[in-house]
Amino acid sequence: QSGLTQPASVSGSPGQSITISCTGTSNDVGIYNLVSWYQQHPGKAPKVIIYEVGKRPSGASDRFSGSKSGNTASLTISGLQAEDESDYHCCSYTRSGTWVFGGGTRVTVL
Amino acid sequence: QVQLQESGPGLVKPSETLSLTCTVSGGSISSYYWNWIRQPPGKGLEWIGYIYSIGSYNSGNTNYNPSLRSRVTMSVDTSKNQFSLKMRSVTAADTAVYYCARDVDRKRFDSWGQGTPVTVSS
Repeated sequence: QSGLTQPASVSGSPGQSITISCTGTSNDVGIYNLVSWYQQHPGKAPKVIIYEVGKRPSGASDRFSGSKSGNTASLTISGLQAEDESDYHCCSYTRSGTWVFGGGTRVTVL
Repeated sequence: QVQLQESGPGLVKPSETLSLTCTVSGGSISSYYWNWIRQPPGKGLEWIGYIYSIGSYNSGNTNYNPSLRSRVTMSVDTSKNQFSLKMRSVTAADTAVYYCARDVDRKRFDSWGQGTPVTVSS
């Protein structure tokens, strides 16, 4: 299985909105609504911020939102804040019953 | 609140077997999907595989990343609330931080260990 495709980096100014894309195939992102997003600060374990494409777990900021169109999922961060500077990873369940991650996106707050 | 803690050698020689254990506290290991995920230095996350613990038996359903399937075995010890990873014939490409994580209802990895770094070097 090939990994999902994410941009290596995205940047924005405080208060702006940014969107991170995550492109897969009809064998993973396109077939199930089981895309999740993880935030990872340096030296820390990842933390789920979005699951099932657009659901937020308890405690996750409502500035995070997710969507999907075809084989591409997206994570939008609204009202960008300094604390959002981090790595973001998308993940999808696959037709084979396995999981596949993207390469990760580094978000920089200018 | 369930907590996970990885343990095992931080240095493994090339061609040898990497062995890690994840201890689960604050909850039962039964009836959840328990995963291993790794992250090479400066790179993204890679899912290694899962084991689904069935009741109190030391057995479970497994599924592995196709690219690692020939070298990986996972097992569970319900009496110790632990699950384990064995990866054979390691090379420098297996150098990574290894995380254990719980998968809730096939929807998300909701609990993670802190990660343990493993270096493959002679």
